Amino acid sequence: DTGVSQDPRHKITKRGQNVTFRCDPISEHNRLYWYRQTLGQGPEFLTYFQNEAQLEKSRLLSDRFSAERPKGSFSTLEIQRTEQGDSAMYLCASSSYPGLAGQETQYFGPGTRLLVL
Amino acid sequence: GESVGLHLPTLSVQEGDNSIINCAYSNSASDYFIWYKQESGKGPQFIIDIRSNMDKRQGQRVTVLLNKTVKHLSLQIAATQPGDSAVYFCAENNYGQNFVFGPGTRLSVLP
Repeated sequence: DTGVSQDPRHKITKRGQNVTFRCDPISEHNRLYWYRQTLGQGPEFLTYFQNEAQLEKSRLLSDRFSAERPKGSFSTLEIQRTEQGDSAMYLCASSSYPGLAGQETQYFGPGTRLLVL
Repeated sequence: GESVGLHLPTLSVQEGDNSIINCAYSNSASDYFIWYKQESGKGPQFIIDIRSNMDKRQGQRVTVLLNKTVKHLSLQIAATQPGDSAVYFCAENNYGQNFVFGPGTRLSVLP
């Protein structure tokens, strides 16, 4: 399977603990996105990378959240001092950005479901 | 498995009938639109896209219609099958900006 993969698929943690999620994009894709999705809602943008550069972060992304893509391949999303409100599905997507001449299509991974107790 | 969208608008159709799912988008400057299908416990799956210079695009069993005047997008699924049951999201994009997703519609296919 050469799609986007995420690990772990499920994570249960206690409030105040740190968690880290990993995303492996489609190998030739230069862009990688993180989204958060809660029940009954569409995915909400958190941040994205083009290669190793983090180009944008949403206002939703508090200072407890940090994302990295050190080699322009896989990415990690860390949440420090988790809160119950962080419980959600965290989705990763990747795309091959064609530049202004074209359009990009994002391909999503299966997500990591986080439950903060 | 987990549920996605417990309180979403729901469209129920008989197997074999056509389905029409609607979406109102927010940004008149958006120039690219995608429909995604999300099954329980999975990430969104790309279905079809359309650029703002088009008003209709067809795929296999699916058609997307774009009305820029009223900022409306629709997804038509022909001969709906049980495997089409899922939550459907539209997403809009403006060059250089992020994708913004709509709230989603649950499609339920009745036998």
